Amino acid sequence: DAGVIQSPRHEVTEMGQEVTLRCKPISGHNSLFWYRQTMMRGLELLIYFNNNVPIDDSGMPEDRFSAKMPNASFSTLKIQPSEPRDSAVYFCASRSGQFEQYFGPGTRLTVT
Amino acid sequence: TQLLEQSPQFLSIQEGENLTVYCNSSSVFSSLQWYRQEPGEGPVLLVTVVTGGEVKKLKRLTFQFGDARKDSSLHITAAQPGDTGLYLCAGSVEGYSTLTFGKGTMLLVSP
Repeated sequence: DAGVIQSPRHEVTEMGQEVTLRCKPISGHNSLFWYRQTMMRGLELLIYFNNNVPIDDSGMPEDRFSAKMPNASFSTLKIQPSEPRDSAVYFCASRSGQFEQYFGPGTRLTVT
Repeated sequence: TQLLEQSPQFLSIQEGENLTVYCNSSSVFSSLQWYRQEPGEGPVLLVTVVTGGEVKKLKRLTFQFGDARKDSSLHITAAQPGDTGLYLCAGSVEGYSTLTFGKGTMLLVSP
């Protein structure tokens, strides 16, 4: 199994640009989570999908952030327009059962 | 909001020493998980505890869930450089499918 796949691994962009992060969950997993990790705030849940449907997006910071899951094998997190304070490591995780979440390697985003 | 406080924030020890890190909350959790995260990678699950007072062992690591299910500890015996990493605890509240993560304890084990 390839595990959770995220792309790109690193993204550097200028303030105001659109950023799209991609995630391919583990095949057969029916839940998908997007997290953001910073030194100040730790690991924060942004949005949670179950069977491709967004269940909890209360962690999405503001309207500049949006996430989609068009099918069971793909999800995107988009930031438009990006700001320097969005700089962080963004993780995608998937889950099949009740507990264990499998995390991807993350995307390190730098907005200048 | 269910907050998880982890302590200490940072721990630097020599190989062979023992250590304990803590995860505390004022909330009751139906389950609690410990993850380890290495630089440049995502967190990896070490253990899940679900019963108050439960103790689980994973080689040199011992995990305990508090009787009231509000706190947990991780004890490492004879730490090795390979134990270096960020240790995160995460709790799940009854009826919710999501996890709340603590900010972690960064452990550095020197040879």
